[in-house]
Parts: sequence; C-alpha cells; structure tokens
Amino acid sequence: SQQGEEDPQALSIQEGENATMNCSYKTSINNLQWYRQNSGRGLVHLILIRSNEREKHSGRLRVTLDTSKKSSSLLITASRAADTASYFCATALRGSGGGADGLTFGKGTHLIIQP
Amino acid sequence: GAGVSQSPSNKVTEKGKDVELRCDPISGHTALYWYRQSLGQGLEFLIYFQGNSAPDKSGLPSDRFSAERTGGSVSTLTIQRTQQEDSAVYLCASSPYLTPEQFFGPGTRLTVL
Repeated sequence: SQQGEEDPQALSIQEGENATMNCSYKTSINNLQWYRQNSGRGLVHLILIRSNEREKHSGRLRVTLDTSKKSSSLLITASRAADTASYFCATALRGSGGGADGLTFGKGTHLIIQP
Repeated sequence: GAGVSQSPSNKVTEKGKDVELRCDPISGHTALYWYRQSLGQGLEFLIYFQGNSAPDKSGLPSDRFSAERTGGSVSTLTIQRTQQEDSAVYLCASSPYLTPEQFFGPGTRLTVL
C-alpha cells in the first residue's frame, strides 16, 4: 500500500501564485523527501527533511514536517510555468533507516501553472 | 557528470516474450533501485541493490521478475513471459553510499501487446 498520500490530486493556479501540496504517511520515518516528475518520466529530487526538523527551505521551496500528525507540506512560492509537473512525497520502506533504502511514494499532486 | 541512463527508452513486446531492461547508474553510486510506474498502481518499489547484492527484493511482483547487478555498476531487470499487466514505465535510480536521496533515470516505457 502507498505510504504517502498527497492532496490535492490536482492543482491549477495562475503564474506567480503560491502552490501548496500536502502529504500524509503512516509509519515512523527518519526523513521525508519530495520529488518532481515532468512528462511521466524520470523523477528529480527536490528536498529532504529529517524527522527532527520542522521546516526547511530551498530557493522557492518550503517544506514542513509534523511528525505528530504524520504529515508534510510542500509550498512553492511565486510559481512559474516551468513548475508544471507532478510532485510526490516519499519515505523509506524501512521507515527508521537513515541511509539508502527503497522508497514508497504517494500518488502525487499534478500541478498546472497557468500563464 | 553523466546521470543515470536506461535502455531502451521504449520497448514494445508481445505477450509471453521475455524482455531485458538495462540501467547504468551514476559512477560511484553503490545503491541502485528499480521501480515501476503505472496508471493504476502509481510508483512501486521493485528491488534494491547495495553493491552487487540485493538486500531487498520484496517488491518484485512475481517470480517472472528478476534482476542482477554486476561489477557494482550496470543492472538488468528481466521480465519473463511478459503479461499485459506488466506494461508500465520502469524507472531506475541510484544513490551514493548511505545517502537517502535518489537520482532517477528517464525510464523505459514497456508496452506488452
């Protein structure tokens, strides 16, 4: 079963607006990652947040993590047409590990940025 | 440097035939992963290699699926007696030792007729 579940499933906003996507997971984690996928092919790693962190920033990306609610959010500020993609949260299959491990992904949020 | 490469990019085969999918990880990455992505099932983990050994094969959906990795580098995913439900994009990823972030290849789109 999917460990992470994102919502919304689809999101369409105007260029320049902020986009927020949420993810929930079921088991304990060491870290949570967000990936982007363009055109249904390879995924690109965006950001990793560790279980002892509550918020992390990278450029226009802001990720939060609430381990008590088993949820995370990804905020993209000042969106651009190039941000149009699917976004997935991912957690390690073995949850508690901090190193290399297979990942379990949510179903993703398809984000469309309208010019 | 070069990223993860996969070949072929597209493969069309007939039901019952065997297929081999290849993955070349980023040089020096010790961990290698196979996933598949389909409309109905989303992204599913298949198998994970650390060096040449596979500590986790839990995601392989049936005994028709197998994978090997040689020389700590190239990996081949083999699907025997393909079925229509095997149609999906097969993604390979690699990561440095003990690093959770994964670098993905462009995938192989497999269509079983």
